Amino acid sequence: DVKVTQSSRYLVKRTGEKVFLECVQDMDHENMFWYRQDPGLGLRLIYFSYDVKMKEKGDIPEGYSVSREKKERFSLILESASTNQTSMYLCASSFRDSILNQPQHFGDGTRLSIL
Amino acid sequence: DQQVKQNSPSLSVQEGRISILNCDYTNSMFDYFLWYKKYPAEGPTFLISISSIKDKNEDGRFTVFLNKSAKHLSLHIVPSQPGDSAVYFCAASHTILTGGGNKLTFGTGTQLKVEL
Repeated sequence: DVKVTQSSRYLVKRTGEKVFLECVQDMDHENMFWYRQDPGLGLRLIYFSYDVKMKEKGDIPEGYSVSREKKERFSLILESASTNQTSMYLCASSFRDSILNQPQHFGDGTRLSIL
Repeated sequence: DQQVKQNSPSLSVQEGRISILNCDYTNSMFDYFLWYKKYPAEGPTFLISISSIKDKNEDGRFTVFLNKSAKHLSLHIVPSQPGDSAVYFCAASHTILTGGGNKLTFGTGTQLKVEL
């Protein structure tokens, strides 16, 4: 079974802090993704990565950055946390295949509260 | 601009009956569609998918129908069970344009409640 592990289930930080959310997958997937889930808005893509050291902006990248130094690990960074970044953060991974469609597999999420 | 829409925030069905969840999309370039199920405090789990070259895909109690001309897909669950109570998200991607990157666009979700 695919295992996507997010380092924290719950996190509380203060406004202005630099926050790191970590995600590790064990299936040698090329693609990794960070989403946030908010009530009534569904899942919105923040950043994604097709390969080590590669990153691309998703739909709502403002206030976030990412790092992918190793294939299995994808980190989301809140440069200066603000209260509107309080949310559920979800990491996902998938194989990269331009012929056969591959579903994304998700971690259990990190519920982040910014006070 | 919501490219994938789930217009029903909630749905309540009796155990044993059919659940039908609906999803509409606006981007005609989408060629791959998925349904995910999400329980509280867990990540979404992949349920079933369909390529745009098909109009139906079935997996046990779950069937997804795709109507390309109407830009509409639906998920049928028969028979519905209490354990199916969850939030269901539909998602879409344009695989060729993303070169296998599988960037997904999600709907806002429908909360399904299956009652005894």
